[in-house]
Amino acid sequence: KNQVEQSPQSLIILEGKNCTLQCNYTVSPFSNLRWYKQDTGRGPVSLTIMTFSENTKSNGRYTATLDADTKQSSLHITASQLSDSASYICVVSARTSYDKVIFGPGTSLSVIP
Amino acid sequence: GAGVSQSPSNKVTEKGKDVELRCDPISGHTALYWYRQSLGQGLEFLIYFQGNSAPDKSGLPSDRFSAERTGGSVSTLTIQRTQQEDSAVYLCASSLADFISTQYFGPGTRLTVL
Repeated sequence: KNQVEQSPQSLIILEGKNCTLQCNYTVSPFSNLRWYKQDTGRGPVSLTIMTFSENTKSNGRYTATLDADTKQSSLHITASQLSDSASYICVVSARTSYDKVIFGPGTSLSVIP
Repeated sequence: GAGVSQSPSNKVTEKGKDVELRCDPISGHTALYWYRQSLGQGLEFLIYFQGNSAPDKSGLPSDRFSAERTGGSVSTLTIQRTQQEDSAVYLCASSLADFISTQYFGPGTRLTVL
């Protein structure tokens, strides 16, 4: 069964600190993995997208890693800002006749001053 | 440029009524997705349109849900005989092509069924 799990479920950190969010998946055949940021009341916004051959991708203070062998991904946020408070969703796509997407439950991040 | 737009932003309806939710994708995007996000839950895939191919309806929760995409652009999600459990935020996304392309999400329609 295609599944995506994320940890932790929620996280509170001080402004300026770094944090790492985890994503484990059992999706097969694997096509790509994306991280989205979703602010409260808004639609998700894409942060990174990685294919099988990519093991790291950066977008400003966000760095995603992918280990396709262990089927794990992480999203590292450096020098966190208050505006980073949001839900971070890991999305894995299965390569079928089209791109079937499976969403993780998300990690709720709160950055406090 | 214009992103994905959805209307209405909020919809309150009575149980048993039909509702229509609209999505305007980014111009030129061939793929369009509908998702549902219930309170405290993750995103749930509903339906996927790709070009002129038959849509993937595997995520629709019941036969009360249907969607159309006219002219390969605007899409309408219809919920018939709404139930309270249909209350959720309905998100639409579009992407340029398939597989690798990024999905761009609209702001969503918040549906409340009384």
